[in-house]
Amino acid sequence: EAQVTQNPRYLITVTGKKLTVTCSQNMNHEYMSWYRQDPGLGLRQIYYSMNVEVTDKGDVPEGYKVSRKEKRNFPLILESPSPNQTSLYFCASSPRDSSSLHFGNGTRLTVT
Amino acid sequence: AQSVTQPDIHITVSEGASLELRCNYSYGATPYLFWYVQSPGQGLQLLLKYFSGDTLVQGIKGFEAEFKRSQSSFNLRKPSVHWSDAAEYFCAVGAWSSASKIIFGSGTRLSIRP
Repeated sequence: EAQVTQNPRYLITVTGKKLTVTCSQNMNHEYMSWYRQDPGLGLRQIYYSMNVEVTDKGDVPEGYKVSRKEKRNFPLILESPSPNQTSLYFCASSPRDSSSLHFGNGTRLTVT
Repeated sequence: AQSVTQPDIHITVSEGASLELRCNYSYGATPYLFWYVQSPGQGLQLLLKYFSGDTLVQGIKGFEAEFKRSQSSFNLRKPSVHWSDAAEYFCAVGAWSSASKIIFGSGTRLSIRP
């Protein structure tokens, strides 16, 4: 089944403790991205990647890192999480030359 | 500036009633428009998209949307809603060839009254 898989689905952590949220897609998509969803703000793009080893900042990249060493994986790294990064995070992918996104089921992160 | 506005934060309709969710956009180039649905605990799923051609587009689950260039709108409609349509709906605008420039609206939460 074609899908975008995020792990974990829920994560509670403390300020400053490094964490990684994984994202993997099995559709051989070139494009992958991370969004955060906050009430009243919709989805805001954090980082995106057009292909392996090519990443770029989105609208709200501060406090986040990403890497794209393989086509299928696009982990989101929070080196020193803070409470304002408490949010619902979505990974998405898309084939080259398409704007139609395929989303994972989300990761709800709470930073205390 | 490019933006998407969904003026209704929350809408409640009765089961079987018709539905229209509003979306207005501001985009410098030819807009490519999308509606996504987010069911509780799920990711976003593409309902429909408009790139060009017929301004009335059909999507999944019985939804349709109409592109009106003069009004900068792309409203989503359904003639008769079902309880399973309760979800959050997002309008988005972007460029046809690149998902990196997609801008999402803030969403409209749809509740269904039995």
